[in-house]
Order: sequence, then structure tokens, then C-alpha cells
Amino acid sequence: AQSVTQLGSHVSVSEGALVLLRCNYSSSVPPYLFWYVQYPNQGLQLLLKYTTGATLVKGINGFEAEFKKSETSFHLTKPSAHMSDAAEYFCAVTRGGGSNYKLTFGKGTLLTVNP
Amino acid sequence: KAGVTQTPRYLIKTRGQQVTLSCSPISGHRSVSWYQQTPGQGLQFLFEYFSETQRNKGNFPGRFSGRQFSNSRSEMNVSTLELGDSALYLCASSYGPNTDTQYFGPGTRLTVL
Repeated sequence: AQSVTQLGSHVSVSEGALVLLRCNYSSSVPPYLFWYVQYPNQGLQLLLKYTTGATLVKGINGFEAEFKKSETSFHLTKPSAHMSDAAEYFCAVTRGGGSNYKLTFGKGTLLTVNP
Repeated sequence: KAGVTQTPRYLIKTRGQQVTLSCSPISGHRSVSWYQQTPGQGLQFLFEYFSETQRNKGNFPGRFSGRQFSNSRSEMNVSTLELGDSALYLCASSYGPNTDTQYFGPGTRLTVL
């Protein structure tokens, strides 16, 4: 079974500051990892994903994440926060392929960006 | 290409009633999954359909059911509604069951009074 832990239910940064949202996972098999963003009253939008290959993945809106197997982490970063980044962010894991494909989500991290 | 659409967007029901939610996947996508999102439990997997067959089911009571039609559109039904069923219900589609990315719709906000 897979699980996801997002450290910090609420992160507050100043506009222009570094954004770091933490995600740790547990999985008995090689995982596929995802970050989704949710704006108020909307569904989930895929930011980026890691399946295989390069461990540093770049996503939309200037976000990137690095898969670190030794640390079982997949932290999300953005060098400079923008007001429009304020939203809730979800890390998710699934086992790679196979017949038990379903996303297991973390509890989410609400990002606030202060002017 | 149009995204995942869900109808209705908002729904208010009373306890004991039943409700049906609809999801139209992205054109060409044949797999549809449903998730429930609540403040307390977060995002939880309900079930997944592919080629009109349920492939996976989450840990929800039998009051929650679904189906998929030959055009890949899916519906989920909740019978005998309880207050705790108030949630945002999200539908996601992907090309197939073993593809890696699910694309989400805007959700249906269900309020049970």
C-alpha cells in the first residue's frame, strides 16, 4: 500500500520568496508521483509528475520537484512566489502501472502568498 | 480538446434521498475514476471504471455505486444520503487503466441537509 505525508498543512511566503512544499511517500514498489494544484471552487490541475527517468522534473508555472528515492521525498519548489500561486497543493502517489492504479493523496498544503 | 466535464456543479439534497452525478471524460479517454473530497478526510478514491467495468473500488459503503457507458461517460449514485456525504465529488479521466496521468474535472459540490 502507498501513503503520502505532506509536512505543513499551511505554508505562508512573501511574494518573490522561495516556495518549498514537502512531500514524503511510502511505497513497496517503485512509485509514480504527482503534484496537483487546486484553486478555490475548482478541480485539480496537474502541475508535474515523476514516472521514470530524470529525477528532477519541471512542471507548469515555474514549479519543479525532485524525486529522492533514498529520502522517499518528492518536494515541490518554485524560486519566486507569485500572488497567483496561492492555492492548495496536493502530492499524490500511485504504483507504476499494473491493475491497482489509483491515486493516494496527501492531506494537502495551503499556500498563502503575502504581498 | 475539451476537458473533463461534470454535471451538475452544485447540488442540495436532504437526508435519505438519492443522487446521481455525471462525468464526461476527455475525448479518447476510456478510464474514469471518482474521488470524494472532504475537509476532514481529504481526497479519497471511490472507484475506477474502464470499458464499462469497475476495476477498483475504495473503502466506501455499498450506498456508493457507479457505472460507465459505452461512450465512456460515467455516473455515480449515492443512495440514502447521510449528512456526512456532503463533499466535493471529483471525476478524473485517463486514456486507460495503466496510463500514468489522470485529468480532473471541476467537481460536483453536494450538500446534504
